[in-house]
Amino acid sequence: AQKVTQAQTEISVVEKEDVTLDCVYETRDTTYYLFWYKQPPSGELVFLIRRNSFDEQNEISGRYSWNFQKSTSSFNFTITASQVVDSAVYFCALSEALSNTDKLIFGTGTRLQVFP
Amino acid sequence: NAGVTQTPKFRVLKTGQSMTLLCAQDMNHEYMYWYRQDPGMGLRLIHYSVGEGTTAKGEVPDGYNVSRLKKQNFLLGLESAAPSQTSVYFCASSRDMDNQPQHFGDGTRLSIL
Repeated sequence: AQKVTQAQTEISVVEKEDVTLDCVYETRDTTYYLFWYKQPPSGELVFLIRRNSFDEQNEISGRYSWNFQKSTSSFNFTITASQVVDSAVYFCALSEALSNTDKLIFGTGTRLQVFP
Repeated sequence: NAGVTQTPKFRVLKTGQSMTLLCAQDMNHEYMYWYRQDPGMGLRLIHYSVGEGTTAKGEVPDGYNVSRLKKQNFLLGLESAAPSQTSVYFCASSRDMDNQPQHFGDGTRLSIL
């Protein structure tokens, strides 16, 4: 069965600290895609990254970086030098290629609060 | 460029009333989805559509119906609203290629009294 686990319900940090959000997934498919979405206090869902199961290269985009490790079924997200604007709920999600529907299975989210 | 537009943004219903939530996308996407978001549970898929005239059940379909008569629109109906359907509803759409990212609307906050 497919499942995404975000064990950290809430994280609080002070501005400029680095923070890592954990994501562990379960799937029987060999081809799948992993996503991170951000939901700021305004409520909309903002796409951050998509990674397919054959690409284990880590990715960096400004202060954001993602570490994909198939051996541990994890796709962790790190924010370097956090800022107050990073305060949001972050969702990790899984989509299986064989489903032909692109359905997303979401984790329960991690609420990140960055204090000045 | 509007993307995905949901109407209404807020609604309060009484138990037993019916209503329809409208989702419209202007990106010519084949796939469309309805999710509900409840505290501590993330987003859960209600129904989805892989093309005009097609619909299918997701993880939590009970109490909801959907229709996709036009490619750009995906309607979610509650025939007899129940307090358990109090939630924030999100519509999303995506291209039918290689699990592309879904584009989400801003959500509809629905309260059932």
